[in-house]
Formats: sequence, structure tokens, C-alpha cells
Amino acid sequence: DQQVKQNSPSLSVQEGRISILNCDYTNSMFDYFLWYKKYPAEGPTFLISISSIKDKNEDGRFTVFLNKSAKHLSLHIVPSQPGDSAVYFCAARRMDSSYKLIFGSGTRLLVRP
Amino acid sequence: GAGVSQSPRYKVTKRGQDVTLRCDPISSHATLYWYQQALGQGPEFLTYFNYEAQPDKSGLPSDRFSAERPEGSISTLTIQRTEQRDSAMYRCASSLQENTEAFFGQGTRLTVV
Repeated sequence: DQQVKQNSPSLSVQEGRISILNCDYTNSMFDYFLWYKKYPAEGPTFLISISSIKDKNEDGRFTVFLNKSAKHLSLHIVPSQPGDSAVYFCAARRMDSSYKLIFGSGTRLLVRP
Repeated sequence: GAGVSQSPRYKVTKRGQDVTLRCDPISSHATLYWYQQALGQGPEFLTYFNYEAQPDKSGLPSDRFSAERPEGSISTLTIQRTEQRDSAMYRCASSLQENTEAFFGQGTRLTVV
């Protein structure tokens, strides 16, 4: 039973355009959400996060939106750059087990020059 | 150290053999995590440590899996009597404390033949 789902295995976007990566979750006990970025042969690195008390968090070109009623979050990258090409993992954690991250299966983003 | 270091990077073992994977976390980090990542999936929580204490090992798939962190620094993950289904990437991460940003190592890719 996947509690965090990334239904798009891959996404291809032209450089300079917006990339939108989506993530759905099923557990209403999740109170904190994170996006990790992973390059080949490296471990995942933290990108941006959002608490469940917010609906938006922005950091430079990266913005995460949270829609709690729909149990949906998305990561927007504007403008997309070729260096953004990587696998993006959505992750969530529960307030009563904040040490444990529940990951989605990832979306591979390709930004075409 | 500068980052989370895992060794070996790759390990091929015969079914039925025992293997031990090592993780050297960031030196100031109290909390250390082990995750298992199957091909095409996101990391799945196995267990974690606060210093040498292991509060949750509920994610370990069977009693063939065990982890240690005897001095609150380096950790090992041991898989006894390996099976083909144990083949995966094993990722270690560390953080300053439980609910702070987790930094992942490059992982150990285990192949059981």
C-alpha cells in the first residue's frame, strides 16, 4: 500500500519552461512534506519542504504547493535548466514518527536544451 | 567527515552468505538511518539510531537483518543468509537530530546471485 505516490515516472521539459512534478498521498497523519533530488551515482539531496500548516513554500526557482483537501502536492521549477535534470522524490513524514520518511517512487525530469 | 560515507559501493554475494554494510555518518550527527531502495522505487525505511540507541527497527524485513551503532558513530547493517530478494541499494543517512534534514550517502548496491 503506497502512501506516497508519484504517478509520472518521467517528464520532459524544454529549457526555460516550467516543470511541474506531482505527488499524492493517502495518510492524513502526514504533517511535513519534502522533495529530494537525485543525480546518477549520488544519494538523494534535500531540495525543499513544506509544513502542513502552509500551502506554499518558495525557494528561488523552486516552489512547493500543498493542497491538503486533495492530499496533493506539487513542485514547480521556473525556469527549468538542463542542470535540473535528475530524479525527484517526494517524501512525507508523520508527526508521531518524525524520524521516518515515506518516499514516492520518483519522477525522472529531463530538461532539454 | 564531510559527508555520509558508505562502503562498499558495490557488493556481489552468493545466496546464503552473510554481508555487512558500513556507514560513516557526518561527524556531528546524532541520528543515523538505514533505507532500502529497490530498482525503480523510492527508499524504504529500515531502522534508525539516536547515538547508539535504536528506537525503531520495525522496517527490517526479517530477523536476518540487523544493525548496530555501538559507539554512536559508525553503523553496520548485516544481512545473514542472503536471498536474491535482498538485492537492492542500501542507503544510509544522518541528521543532526531526529526531525532535521537528513543527508544521504551514495549507497551500497547489493546483488545476491
